[in-house]
Amino acid sequence: GNSVTQMEGPVTLSEEAFLTINCTYTATGYPSLFWYVQYPGEGLQLLLKATKADDKGSNKGFEATYRKETTSFHLEKGSVQVSDSAVYFCALTEYNFNKFYFGSGTKLNVKP
Amino acid sequence: ETGVTQTPRHLVMGMTNKKSLKCEQHLGHNAMYWYKQSAKKPLELMFVYSLEERVENNSVPSRFSPECPNSSHLFLHLHTLQPEDSALYLCASSRDRTSGYNEQFFGPGTRLTVL
Repeated sequence: GNSVTQMEGPVTLSEEAFLTINCTYTATGYPSLFWYVQYPGEGLQLLLKATKADDKGSNKGFEATYRKETTSFHLEKGSVQVSDSAVYFCALTEYNFNKFYFGSGTKLNVKP
Repeated sequence: ETGVTQTPRHLVMGMTNKKSLKCEQHLGHNAMYWYKQSAKKPLELMFVYSLEERVENNSVPSRFSPECPNSSHLFLHLHTLQPEDSALYLCASSRDRTSGYNEQFFGPGTRLTVL
């Protein structure tokens, strides 16, 4: 079956530190991979996505590369800001399916 | 209005009340979803509608009753809830299952408290 595993939080960093949030997946076919972000009091927003192996998704300084050989899609940012404090969700879906599989979420706290 | 909207944003109800959550999408999508987000638990998919037809019901108790009158509107009718049903209820939409890879667009959620 399909599933997503991401590192447990919370992750606490100082401003301008390097961020990595690990995500690995299990899929029966050829999934698309996503990172969503949830700011306090809000719904989930799409942060970035990658639809095939070796694709790199990027947005707002965040990046993630679809690694089929390691079934991973780790989220990275070179220099985090206080405004990046949120919960980050890794997710996958497969072609022609409506269903998304979400990880459990990783809370990021960035301190000034 | 743009994107996905949900009303009300906050709801407090007793266990004997009947209430409804409303979701509206302004994106021209054909698939809509209800999710439950509880503290310290993964996001739980409750219902999926595609072209107004329910295509998935993930063993959700009958005290939750969805309704999708058209492709733009989705309701979740609530009755005789339990305190453990307190959570953030998120609505989402996507183009449809036959359009390949479909990212989901989420509303801001309804924070439900059952007393």
